[in-house]
Amino acid sequence: DAGITQSPRYKITETGRQVTLMCHQTWSHSYMFWYRQDLGHGLRLIYYSAAADITDKGEVPDGYVVSRSKTENFPLTLESATRSQTSVYFCASSATSESEKLFFGSGTQLSVL
Amino acid sequence: DAKTTQPPSMDCAEGRAANLPCNHSTISGNEYVYWYRQIHSQGPQYIIHGLKNNETNEMASLIITEDRKSSTLILPHATLRDTAVYYCIVRVYSGGGADGLTFGKGTHLIIQP
Repeated sequence: DAGITQSPRYKITETGRQVTLMCHQTWSHSYMFWYRQDLGHGLRLIYYSAAADITDKGEVPDGYVVSRSKTENFPLTLESATRSQTSVYFCASSATSESEKLFFGSGTQLSVL
Repeated sequence: DAKTTQPPSMDCAEGRAANLPCNHSTISGNEYVYWYRQIHSQGPQYIIHGLKNNETNEMASLIITEDRKSSTLILPHATLRDTAVYYCIVRVYSGGGADGLTFGKGTHLIIQP
């Protein structure tokens, strides 16, 4: 199906483990984003990417790594998960020509025990 | 980006028009007003945006005051499915949301049956 998909939908992991959240979009959008959402903090930008091989830090990048070798994929890796990274993670994409019109995925609910 | 102020919550009866206000008194001439909404446990969804003229699409209408210091999102015939958090965002056009959008706390709109 066309659109933006995130996987897995739910993930439980343990402190210290590496976790990768996947994001795939079929529109060939240039821009992609990762947000996390926590009660009391709302949506916060972790990383974003303007194109393949171009990434930049957002508001809360510490503890996360991203890569973008292909336009359609933008995986987010927690190198050593901590309990404070328990959150709902949303991926989004947008086209250069569409003024600030972001399309969001359904989210990944991550629990770090 | 200009700061926005929204009421934390609002109620509206099903079938009536829902009018969601947003104050952005420090908006500058090249900043647009964007509206998104987030239905529980889903990713945010773009609704509409405008610069100074009123805008309408299949989802909603956006009314921007002449001095541009405030705006109102109108859902003409609210349904229970419109219950969501609505975000008003003000920012300069950068082409595809280049460095990401900043989401505040928004307004929790509850549609009453």
